[in-house]
Amino acid sequence: SAVISQKPSRDICQRGTSLTIQCQVDSQVTMMFWYRQQPGQSLTLIATANQGSEATYESGFVIDKFPISRPNLTFSTLTVSNMSPEDSSIYLCSAPGRENNEQFFGPGTRLTVL
Amino acid sequence: LAKTTQPISMDSYEGQEVNITCSHNNIATNDYITWYQQFPSQGPRFIIQGYKTKVTNEVASLFIPADRKSSTLSLPRVSLSDTAVYYCLVADMNTGFQKLVFGTGTRLLVSP
Repeated sequence: SAVISQKPSRDICQRGTSLTIQCQVDSQVTMMFWYRQQPGQSLTLIATANQGSEATYESGFVIDKFPISRPNLTFSTLTVSNMSPEDSSIYLCSAPGRENNEQFFGPGTRLTVL
Repeated sequence: LAKTTQPISMDSYEGQEVNITCSHNNIATNDYITWYQQFPSQGPRFIIQGYKTKVTNEVASLFIPADRKSSTLSLPRVSLSDTAVYYCLVADMNTGFQKLVFGTGTRLLVSP
């Protein structure tokens, strides 16, 4: 299994500001993933964070809004930029376990934008 | 990636068997059927994965017919702690099952 932690667990932010979310994995992994879960909704994949290259974004998500860093094989950050109330969501990161057939998820970061 | 369809919600009582059916009509040859469970305020957790026929582990069973266009997650003798959202996904073997597309999920409520 993989143990994944996220910081912060929650935050309340003002419109127009940015928040950087950290994700730490207890083992080295090639790819990490960032998801958004809007209130009462399912998870939507934002991007794949590759070590040593730029992140790959899904349709509807852009680097200017959600810049991602992947400085090493155990860590990644997601920044939510120029926030608006519509960005209020839970943001989760995930990484594969050793068997690779399952993803392990962090506990999520609950973001509220006022 | 193939889209999945499953009931929005289900209700059950403690000790009953719960079967959640998922439809995935456009499943591709390289896709595996995968189920995740999510409790409130937690990230999803892998339950079970299968390609065809039947798969069983300590948590659940997964039944997949020959045409693979649907699947059924079976939870034996549910307890209150099984109250959660259950997601059915099809995961591409070629991506290492890593890039996940979540559907709406089924919200299971287990009552005493």
